[in-house]
Amino acid sequence: AQRVTQPEKLLSVFKGAPVELKCNYSYSGSPELFWYVQYSRQRLQLLLRHISRESIKGFTADLNKGETSFHLKKPFAQEEDSAMYYCALKGTGFQKLVFGTGTRLLVSP
Amino acid sequence: DARVTQTPRHKVTEMGQEVTMRCQPILGHNTVFWYRQTMMQGLELLAYFRNRAPLDDSGMPKDRFSAEMPDATLATLKIQPSEPRDSAVYFCASGSPGSTAFFGQGTRLTVV
Repeated sequence: AQRVTQPEKLLSVFKGAPVELKCNYSYSGSPELFWYVQYSRQRLQLLLRHISRESIKGFTADLNKGETSFHLKKPFAQEEDSAMYYCALKGTGFQKLVFGTGTRLLVSP
Repeated sequence: DARVTQTPRHKVTEMGQEVTMRCQPILGHNTVFWYRQTMMQGLELLAYFRNRAPLDDSGMPKDRFSAEMPDATLATLKIQPSEPRDSAVYFCASGSPGSTAFFGQGTRLTVV
């Protein structure tokens, strides 16, 4: 079964501080992992996907198969990063896309 | 800029009434997802379709919820009868093999 766990409901940091949003997954095959972001009352948008290995808006995430993790990191948080962040997993062959419960990031000035 | 379109954006209804939410996936996408978003549960997958056929609707309460794709340009999610606990934001998303999922703006449902 596919499962995504985001242990933190809320992460509050000050502007300029490093940020790490945790994501762990459970899947028996080779998963694709994603981070989606949802700004206040807007649609979810793809932030990044592990196969791209790119940095978007200063965020990076590395897939660690040994620890079954895909943590999202940013070295210096900005106020505009305040949003809801969802980690998601897609199984092989475009199986269903399963989300974690989300972490609300609040960046204070 | 292709987008997933959901209607209505907001719906307030009385308990017991039927509610129908509609979704127009991005042209060419063959997979459609329905999600429910609440503060407590986050994003729950209700159902998903591939090539208009339902692949998994195990997340949906069968007694009152139904999801269909009458054609490739329209997906519907129906609740009958609606209950206050159904109040949530319902998102539709579409995608295709090799791509990620693109989300609509959601339907905010309030059942009073």
